[in-house]
Amino acid sequence: RKEVEQDPGPFNVPEGATVAFNCTYSNSASQSFFWYRQDCRKEPKLLMSVYSSGNEDGRFTAQLNRASQYISLLIRDSKLSDSATYLCVVISPVLNNNDMRFGAGTRLTVKP
Amino acid sequence: EPEVTQTPSHQVTQMGQEVILRCVPISNHLYFYWYRQILGQKVEFLVSFYNNEISEKSEIFDDQFSVERPDGSNFTLKIRSTKLEDSAMYFCASSDWGSGGEQYFGPGTRLTVT
Repeated sequence: RKEVEQDPGPFNVPEGATVAFNCTYSNSASQSFFWYRQDCRKEPKLLMSVYSSGNEDGRFTAQLNRASQYISLLIRDSKLSDSATYLCVVISPVLNNNDMRFGAGTRLTVKP
Repeated sequence: EPEVTQTPSHQVTQMGQEVILRCVPISNHLYFYWYRQILGQKVEFLVSFYNNEISEKSEIFDDQFSVERPDGSNFTLKIRSTKLEDSAMYFCASSDWGSGGEQYFGPGTRLTVT
């Protein structure tokens, strides 16, 4: 099982649609979880952290399920500007340090 | 809004040459990182740096790589003898609390080894 695995995508949705991405992780001791977005040939940009209780930021909702070892990102009322690759990031303790792993990303295209 | 900056934006070098990629992390951040992303592939962790020393490194970060914080603002990645497979986008990132916290990425340096 890959350390961090995401829906392969691509997702092509119309404007206004709701879309959900899932991400699974293999290390049950993982501690911190994030969603980043990455535009083509640009740097990853932090979208939101994922908290145990779930959290919402405008049209974006992130949830964590520790028992099943997955996190999700829900985008409501999608906009053209939401088109990007969404990266799931998991931080796990390794010996005395932390190990940050990126998923391969899920590409989203929002069409008019 | 403070941001991480990187120079150059694009570096072309011949195989076997040394390159130094430069980063200026966000000023009050204490933890620094380098990542690479080969075209079409996922972002891969290279190294983390705190308190003037490497705190963690990946299998990719072999003896050809080194990092340095030569002064209070710059954070550099040196590749001693570049190989074709070092061609990638290199991202610097910084965070203000521990490697378990949110990291902010610079715009990257595209390294092309010919």
